[in-house]
Amino acid sequence: QVQLVESGGGVVQPGRSLRLSCAASGFTFSTYGMHWVRQAPGKGLEWVAVIWYDGNNKYYADSVKGRFTISRANSRNTLYLQMNSLRAEDTAVYYCARGAIRYFDYWGQGTLVTVSS
Amino acid sequence: SYVLTQPPSLSVAPGQTARITCGGNNIGIKSVHWYQQRPGQAPVLVVYDDSDRPSGIPERFSGSNSGNTATLTISRVEAGDEADYYCQVWDTSSDQGVFGGGTKLTVL
Repeated sequence: QVQLVESGGGVVQPGRSLRLSCAASGFTFSTYGMHWVRQAPGKGLEWVAVIWYDGNNKYYADSVKGRFTISRANSRNTLYLQMNSLRAEDTAVYYCARGAIRYFDYWGQGTLVTVSS
Repeated sequence: SYVLTQPPSLSVAPGQTARITCGGNNIGIKSVHWYQQRPGQAPVLVVYDDSDRPSGIPERFSGSNSGNTATLTISRVEAGDEADYYCQVWDTSSDQGVFGGGTKLTVL
């Protein structure tokens, strides 16, 4: 069965960096696009970034462009999100999700990132 | 960027029909997808490509899309359907995902 397990969340000061990971299993990771989606406390879902199956194309939400970098290691079945210059408004649960062309068919349980001094 | 508008809340009695709308400019020409998120849990896909259901999703969940409004319909509502529901499209002009603000469904 498809499993996505995020890790790497925690408390970080504004302006610092953090890297999230998402370990995938139960499917052929290298043939799917992968996404990050976040949810601020008590708020709705916000799409963050996508990386195509081969890593050759990446797209970002305007709110994170230039600060966040999505990447993947198909040999390790792992998705990453490098988050730099973090702000208080980046505080959220970050989900990785498998992409099925234009929607998200499987989601992980999420990892909480708190940006606070 | 493309904007999706959902009502913040909807209340229905058990056994009745819930209709959750998602408004967007000419949304009828886009593929709309719907997610259910129960409290403290990750979202779950319940309808994709306007009206298709993933395996394991009850037939009570259905979708439609036309003009400027897409609709998720939940028939014979049960207590377990109480959750937040989000619509989503892919904005091909910017290659970005877009979510509606979410609708909290309360089962009375």
